[in-house]
Amino acid sequence: EDQVTQSPEALRLQEGESSSLNCSYTVSGLRGLFWYRQDPGKGPEFLFTLYSAGEEKEKERLKATLTKKESFLHITAPKPEDSATYLCAVQARGIYNFNKFYFGSGTKLNVKP
Amino acid sequence: EAQVTQNPRYLITVTGKKLTVTCSQNMNHEYMSWYRQDPGLGLRQIYYSMNVEVTDKGDVPEGYKVSRKEKRNFPLILESPSPNQTSLYFCATGTGLADEQYFGPGTRLTVT
Repeated sequence: EDQVTQSPEALRLQEGESSSLNCSYTVSGLRGLFWYRQDPGKGPEFLFTLYSAGEEKEKERLKATLTKKESFLHITAPKPEDSATYLCAVQARGIYNFNKFYFGSGTKLNVKP
Repeated sequence: EAQVTQNPRYLITVTGKKLTVTCSQNMNHEYMSWYRQDPGLGLRQIYYSMNVEVTDKGDVPEGYKVSRKEKRNFPLILESPSPNQTSLYFCATGTGLADEQYFGPGTRLTVT
């Protein structure tokens, strides 16, 4: 069964304290792995897509990496405005489910000044 | 401005009273999808559509219907809502098969 698990559920950091969020997945052939940011009361906002193990993408203080079983979202020297819930999603490669997306329940990040 | 709009944004209704949540996009995207978001369960896909008149079930389609008569619109229909359909609903659009999605602002539905 296709499944996405994110950890930790919540993370509290001091401003400038770097850390990583984890997304582990089981899927019958990965077509793509996506990271989104969601602010309270809003829809998710796209951050990155990763397609194959070893791939890395960066945007400002965020860096996403991918292995065959998990992805990490590294946050370097975070600022309070990075506080949000970060969602991971996967898309399977199979014939019958390649249009389906499976989301994790998210990591709620709180960065204190 | 590229956007996905949903209406209504908030809705309180009673069990069994049919309702429709509309979703409209101005990005000319072929792919559209509906999700529900519940605490601890994350986003779960209800239905998706690859193009006009082409729709398919996601992971949690029971109790919902959709239609795609025009490329820009993808309404979600609850024929007989029940309290377990109380949730936050998001519409999303995308350009293709393996692509990022753009989400609407959400519709908070409460069924009493």
